[in-house]
Amino acid sequence: EPEVTQTPSHQVTQMGQEVILRCVPISNHLYFYWYRQILGQKVEFLVSFYNNEISEKSEIFDDQFSVERPDGSNFTLKIRSTKLEDSAMYFCASTTGANEKLFFGSGTQLSVL
Amino acid sequence: QKEVEQDPGPLSVPEGAIVSLNCTYSNSAFQYFMWYRQYSRKGPELLMYTYSSGNKEDGRFTAQVDKSSKYISLFIRDSQPSDSATYLCAMNKGTSYGKLTFGQGTILTVHP
Repeated sequence: EPEVTQTPSHQVTQMGQEVILRCVPISNHLYFYWYRQILGQKVEFLVSFYNNEISEKSEIFDDQFSVERPDGSNFTLKIRSTKLEDSAMYFCASTTGANEKLFFGSGTQLSVL
Repeated sequence: QKEVEQDPGPLSVPEGAIVSLNCTYSNSAFQYFMWYRQYSRKGPELLMYTYSSGNKEDGRFTAQVDKSSKYISLFIRDSQPSDSATYLCAMNKGTSYGKLTFGQGTILTVHP
C-alpha cells in the first residue's frame, strides 16, 4: 500500500540552527500538508500546499517556516532558526484532491536543545 | 470554548468489550468528520471518514455524526488488544482542503 515517507525519523539540533524536514508524499497525490504535535498536545495544522504554492497557513507558520517542493517527489519543511518551542513531532500528509482522505507519514521527531 | 473537545481518557476495557469514543465541537461549519488511530510514535491512520450527519459502519467500527448536537462518536465492537492506541477525532469545514482540526485524542487500552 502506498504511504507517505518522512526522513529523518528523529532530528536533534541546537537552538538557532536551520533544519529541513523531508517528506515523500504518495505519488499521485496533489495536495500536501505539514502538521505538528507537541508532546501531550493536539495535532495542529501548519500549512497546506497545492500547485507549487501555499494554499493556507496557520498562525504558527510564521516567517521562520517555509515549504518547498523542489522536484516531483519531495516536499520539505524548513525552519530557519529553531527555537526550543519548535520541539515537536512533525507530520507530513497528502491527499489526491479536495476533501479526499488525508494520509499521514510516521513523522519526524524534532528536538531543539 | 474549544473548537473540538475530546475526553483524553485514559480508557481501559477488557477484550471483547464495546468501546464508545466521543467528541463535541462548537463550530457548525464543520462538514467532514474523521476518526484516526495513532500508535505510539507513529502518524495518525485514518479509520473512518463521514460527511455530515448519519452513521457509517466498517467492520467492527461504527462512526456516528449528529450535527444538530455537534457530537460525533466512534464505536468499536469486540475490541481487541491490537485496538490499543490513541484515537483522534478530526473535522474539516469543507472550504479549507486538508486543514483538519483535531481533538485531544483518547488513549485506549484493551487488556486480554
